[in-house]
Amino acid sequence: EDQVTQSPEALRLQEGESSSLNCSYTVSGLRGLFWYRQDPGKGPEFLFTLYSAGEEKEKERLKATLTKKESFLHITAPKPEDSATYLCAVQAGNYGQNFVFGPGTRLSVLP
Amino acid sequence: KAGVTQTPRYLIKTRGQQVTLSCSPISGHRSVSWYQQTPGQGLQFLFEYFSETQRNKGNFPGRFSGRQFSNSRSEMNVSTLELGDSALYLCASRMNAAGVSYNEQFFGPGTRLTVL
Repeated sequence: EDQVTQSPEALRLQEGESSSLNCSYTVSGLRGLFWYRQDPGKGPEFLFTLYSAGEEKEKERLKATLTKKESFLHITAPKPEDSATYLCAVQAGNYGQNFVFGPGTRLSVLP
Repeated sequence: KAGVTQTPRYLIKTRGQQVTLSCSPISGHRSVSWYQQTPGQGLQFLFEYFSETQRNKGNFPGRFSGRQFSNSRSEMNVSTLELGDSALYLCASRMNAAGVSYNEQFFGPGTRLTVL
């Protein structure tokens, strides 16, 4: 069964304190790994897609990386507006339509 | 370009009633997926529609159903509501041209359903 786990469950950082969020997955035939940001009461906002081990994507203070078993979302010098829940999802399997989401990491950045 | 829209944004129903939620995808997107999000279970896949056909289904009871129209708009129906159906229901769309599947999903704001 395809599974996605994320750690830590919650993370509190001071403004400017860099850190990383982890997404570990067990899937048969990875077709893509996705990162989303979700603010309270809103739908997830698409951030990145990664397709193969070694791939990296960057956007402002965020950088996503992918290995064969996990992905990291690195946050450099975070600001309070980066506070949100970060979700990881994988698309896997022969049909490729099914997306499995992790439970998310709730990030709080304090000024 | 307008994003994914969902209506209504909030709903309050009582046990045993049924409810219909609506989703309009991003223009040009032909695939629509539905998800249920709860604090305890996170985001769970309900089903995906493409060209008016259900292409994939998650592990939910038959009370949950959906359909897609020729303009790619989709509706989701839940019959005989239970207290545990209270959740944020999210719709996501992605482009799916002939022979090519673009994987990035874009989500709507969700419909918050409360069952009393």
